[in-house]
Amino acid sequence: GESVGLHLPTLSVQEGDNSIINCAYSNSASDYFIWYKQESGKGPQFIIDIRSNMDKRQGQRVTVLLNKTVKHLSLQIAATQPGDSAVYFCAEGGSQGNLIFGKGTKLSVKP
Amino acid sequence: EPEVTQTPSHQVTQMGQEVILRCVPISNHLYFYWYRQILGQKVEFLVSFYNNEISEKSEIFDDQFSVERPDGSNFTLKIRSTKLEDSAMYFCASSRDRMNTGELFFGEGSRLTVL
Repeated sequence: GESVGLHLPTLSVQEGDNSIINCAYSNSASDYFIWYKQESGKGPQFIIDIRSNMDKRQGQRVTVLLNKTVKHLSLQIAATQPGDSAVYFCAEGGSQGNLIFGKGTKLSVKP
Repeated sequence: EPEVTQTPSHQVTQMGQEVILRCVPISNHLYFYWYRQILGQKVEFLVSFYNNEISEKSEIFDDQFSVERPDGSNFTLKIRSTKLEDSAMYFCASSRDRMNTGELFFGEGSRLTVL
């Protein structure tokens, strides 16, 4: 069945280091994936998305990689800053807006 | 920057009571959604709404739930008879396009506590 999950529940990195957050999905028919950031007490905030016809997409300090062979999605954050501390969710986009979220990875950035 | 706004930010209610959560989506958006997040868990889809009708709903969205767009700006979620397990953060979201082609903007959520 459809499910999107995460390998690690927590990730702690040093300020300035690069962060990599991973996600596995099971629906090979999915064609749209999104990363969201959720700060404490706030709603999910869109970071970056990628369609299945791409394997890499870059934004400002963030890169999403999609490996359809192993159904794996990752988010890379360059030069991680304290403001990047949050829970990061990958999500699979459904046809009518029914995003299927993973459980989230909590990123902690140590100064 | 336009944003989705939600009220109330926190509501405490007794089991069995009706609750209405309100949302004002971004003005030029056409697709509206409700999601919920039980504390410490993942965000779950409830319902999507387009052209004044429900487009899709999840198993969670049973008969006790309803949505309405009573005017040109508000989008509401009603829970008719709240249960303890309805305690969660409820997020409204909107998008200009269908989800798989556009970005979904979330509000900051309404925390519902059912006692």
